[in-house]
Amino acid sequence: DAGVIQSPRHEVTEMGQEVTLRCKPISGHDYLFWYRQTMMRGLELLIYFNNNVPIDDSGMPEDRFSAKMPNASFSTLKIQPSEPRDSAVYFCASSKREGAEAFFGQGTRLTVV
Amino acid sequence: AQRVTQPEKLLSVFKGAPVELKCNYSYSGSPELFWYVQYSRQRLQLLLRHISRESIKGFTADLNKGETSFHLKKPFAQEEDSAMYYCALSDPGNTPLVFGKGTRLSVIA
Repeated sequence: DAGVIQSPRHEVTEMGQEVTLRCKPISGHDYLFWYRQTMMRGLELLIYFNNNVPIDDSGMPEDRFSAKMPNASFSTLKIQPSEPRDSAVYFCASSKREGAEAFFGQGTRLTVV
Repeated sequence: AQRVTQPEKLLSVFKGAPVELKCNYSYSGSPELFWYVQYSRQRLQLLLRHISRESIKGFTADLNKGETSFHLKKPFAQEEDSAMYYCALSDPGNTPLVFGKGTRLSVIA
């Protein structure tokens, strides 16, 4: 397995534009997590899914953020409209069960100018 | 609520010196503790977990329930240990991993 795959690796966009981050979890993993990494706050859990169903989205900062998981092999995190303070590295991770070892993707470095 | 505290944002040590990265947690049950490492511009990867009681790359970590700590230690630091280290906690089967804010380890030659 190639591990968790995220795209794009880097994204630079202008304030106000829509941004879509993509993630393909490891096959057979029932849990998918979206984390945001910043210098100030470290790793923050934004939302996670179990069997494609969102379980907890309390970490999503604002309504501008939304996430979907239409099937077991694909998830998106969307920011609309984007703002400069959204600039961060966004990681997707998956695991076989809740609380187990999480496998991380390479991350998407988002810069909103 | 679960919380993981890593008091040091940056830790600099000389090559060959001992290293201790501190991690304290607050949780009333029996947590599962992890250390993740992130080398420059790479993905986070699991370094070790307390239940396996193993040594990885010379690093060890012991869960101290009395002090609610899970400090990461290595007797002799190497330059390739320079990275970001995150301590994480979970309530097995109930919650996702909760991460500390991380400690950047810099090993100076």
